[in-house]
Parts: sequence; structure tokens; C-alpha cells
Amino acid sequence: EIVMTQSPAILSLSPGDRATLSCRASQNINSNLAWYQQKPAQAPRLLIYHASTRATGIPVRFSGSGSGTEFTLTISSLQSGDFAIYYCQQYHIWPPSYTFGQGTKLEIK
Amino acid sequence: QVQLVESGGGVVQPGGSLSLSCAASGFTFSNYYMHWVRQAPGKGLEWVAFIRHDGSGKYYPDSVKGRFTISRDNSKNTLSLQMNSLRPEDTAIYFCAKDMYEYSGYDAGGYFDSWGQGTLVTVSS
Repeated sequence: EIVMTQSPAILSLSPGDRATLSCRASQNINSNLAWYQQKPAQAPRLLIYHASTRATGIPVRFSGSGSGTEFTLTISSLQSGDFAIYYCQQYHIWPPSYTFGQGTKLEIK
Repeated sequence: QVQLVESGGGVVQPGGSLSLSCAASGFTFSNYYMHWVRQAPGKGLEWVAFIRHDGSGKYYPDSVKGRFTISRDNSKNTLSLQMNSLRPEDTAIYFCAKDMYEYSGYDAGGYFDSWGQGTLVTVSS
């Protein structure tokens, strides 16, 4: 099983700050990585796939980078609605054996 | 617009069974892989089942393999999850999720661009 490790567990920032969230895979997954945002009592929302492609309707302040085992989600200037939990997910293996990171909670400082 | 609506959650005793359904609309259901993803209370996300667009391939993680069965009815645009031998650790919100990849002759995708609102399954005596 590919283990996904996110850091930090909690990130405390202010509106307008730049947020940098990290995700590490236990083995090479090329660019087969997605990022999701989840707000309380809501389903997750796809932000990024193929490590750096924004999903439909996702603002340009969200960007993804990385390949292999190290990945980053950057939010360039935080808005109030961005404070949520963020998950990374790998989809490298066939047949499917998808795994998520444990999440990073982005909270208001 | 894509809509996924889950139903069937509830309280069940350990060792019991439950069947979940997901009604899909707003897209050509038969062209897309579908998944179930769960989230235990206060915890992260766990993928629990996958089915190919035509139902020809089904995959599960070890945590549910042999106990859960995913199926679909493309004539009714419905996805299902039959859960047997339920354990307290299966307690979670179960989400139906659509794969972003529209089948085009080869296997791909694996990321989820639409989700239902979830249905809560509680396994407790």
C-alpha cells in the first residue's frame, strides 16, 4: 500500500497569507496525485489533479506542484472561505488501490 | 449539473448487513467509473470500493474485501454498496463519488470530481 503523509497537521495563518501544504508518498507515484478541500459537514471538493491541473471552477490562487514522492499545494492569498481541511490522494496503482493523506487543517490565526 | 444522492444509511448491530444506494443524474452514468469513499467521525477519508463503467471490474481495499460488494445498474443510473459482517470500525459517513475520467477505451482516472452529500452508517449494539 502506498502511504501518503501530509504536513503540517495544522496550519494557522491569517487572511491574505500564503499557505504551503505538503504531501509525501511512500513510493514514486509520478504525477498521479489529487488535492481536495473539505469544509465542516460538507463533501470533499476536487481542487487539483495530475498534481498541478486545477479542476473546473477552482480559483487561480490554488496551485499544485511536485512529482515522484513530494508534492505541494499552495494557496497564494488566503480568503476566509479557504479555511478548511485539505487532503491529498494518490491514484498511481492499477488495479485501483487509492489512498488519502491524513489531512492538513488550515485554520485562522 | 451532476447530482449524486445517497440513501440507505442507519444503525446496525455488529455482524449485520446494510445496503446503500446512490442515485446519479446530470451525466452519462454508464460512461464513468464510480466509487464509494467513507469518513469515520472526526477522521480522514478512506476509499472503499471501485467499479468500472460497465461493471466488469470491481476493487476494494483489504479493510473491506470479502465483506463489501459494489454494483451498478446503468439502466437506472444507480450505484449500490452491499455491506455484510459489519464491524464497529465501519461506522462512517459513506460518500458516493464519480470518477472524473470518462471511459475512452483504456483504464485511467482515479480522482473524484463529484460527490454526494453522504449517508451515515453506525455499527453499534
